[in-house]
Amino acid sequence: EVQLVESGGGLVQPGGSLRLSCAASGFTFRSSWMHWVRQAPGKGLVWVSRINSDGSTINYADSVKGRFTISRDNAKNTIYLQMNSLRDEDTAVYYCVRGVAWFDSWGQGTLVTVSS
Amino acid sequence: DIVMTQSPDSLAVSLGERATINCKSSQSVLYSSNNQNYLAWHQQKPGQPPKVLIYWASTRGSGVPDRFSASGSGTDFTLTISSLQAEDVAVYYCQQYYSTPYTFGQGTKLEIK
Repeated sequence: EVQLVESGGGLVQPGGSLRLSCAASGFTFRSSWMHWVRQAPGKGLVWVSRINSDGSTINYADSVKGRFTISRDNAKNTIYLQMNSLRDEDTAVYYCVRGVAWFDSWGQGTLVTVSS
Repeated sequence: DIVMTQSPDSLAVSLGERATINCKSSQSVLYSSNNQNYLAWHQQKPGQPPKVLIYWASTRGSGVPDRFSASGSGTDFTLTISSLQAEDVAVYYCQQYYSTPYTFGQGTKLEIK
């Protein structure tokens, strides 16, 4: 069974940093493309970033480019999202998602709150 | 960026009746080399993460009941629930994976009438 477990969310002040992690199990992680998708409270889904199986292809939404960094450690079956210069509008539940094309598995999400 | 627009924003349907949700993309998501539409539908029940219902515009995901069906090509797509059940109350999102940034529709909230 595919399992994606996010961690690292919490309350952070504007301008601060946070690193999210997503531990994967139940599938061949090193062969899988992975994504981060976020959802602000009461709002819709927004794709944030993706990384291919070996980390050589990475893409970001314009809203986070230059502030967020996605990475992965295939030995630990984990992806990360380093979030710097956080803004109020980054407040959201962040989901870890698997998918080389469509998004076939979603984690439960971790809440990031940016507030002073 | 490809803009995805769903209609309606909300929908109330009686149990056992048909529910239809539409999705329009600002440009075609049909990839000519493999004749596939890079379009998925996701269901998000209250308090839960989303779950994929449909991919390649019309292929049901694993374990998805056959009352869910989808169709369309190019820029116009439809999700149909043939006989609404109580457990289908959710927000439904279409999403294109044709090109980054991947984009979602704004969501359609489906309720019981």
